Amino acid sequence: GAGVSQSPSNKVTEKGKDVELRCDPISGHTALYWYRQSLGQGLEFLIYFQGNSAPDKSGLPSDRFSAERTGGSVSTLTIQRTQQEDSAVYLCASSPPASRDEQYFGPGTRLTVT
Amino acid sequence: GQQVMQIPQYQHVQEGEDFTTYCNSSTTLSNIQWYKQRPGGHPVFLIQLVKSGEVKKQKRLTFQFGEAKKNSSLHITATQTTDVGTYFCAGLPLNTDKLIFGTGTRLQVFP
Repeated sequence: GAGVSQSPSNKVTEKGKDVELRCDPISGHTALYWYRQSLGQGLEFLIYFQGNSAPDKSGLPSDRFSAERTGGSVSTLTIQRTQQEDSAVYLCASSPPASRDEQYFGPGTRLTVT
Repeated sequence: GQQVMQIPQYQHVQEGEDFTTYCNSSTTLSNIQWYKQRPGGHPVFLIQLVKSGEVKKQKRLTFQFGEAKKNSSLHITATQTTDVGTYFCAGLPLNTDKLIFGTGTRLQVFP
């Protein structure tokens, strides 16, 4: 079946501009996660959704970052007034209800802020 | 805060040699998972361990979960070039919903 999809796959933006990243989880997956991965680094947790609510936003780096999820499906991660340190690969993952700990990752969006 | 550390950070081996990565949590875990990320790719789920002292095998890969449920290891027997990538452990601390990913071990296999 279809896996987690993310768009765009690559995004180059100028410093100060806003960007919106999209994640389509696997159908039926209730949990959705956003991570950030800088070049050659580990995974940095950003935010977690259970359905449409976000019980844990502790990983969002600043108030320039926000995320929402509608209809228990698609999620968007918005970064306002982008900075160069925001450059990274943004990964989305989803989990099925029966095995919430098993995460299926999307291909990621590579964000470059110039 | 809660942390999950992995060692070594990098490992270079000759094809056919064995490889082990170790994962240590600062807190007791409900379970631990392992992921593999190929160069340029995204993490792919390998396995989940839940029970204290659990050992699971997948072909040449052996996964262990410590008795105290605070550490884990992944051992690859007779590495192949297809094993190249970064191996991440991810632990779920007790009474939380958030996976804590380890720092990863990058494996390079020379033919």
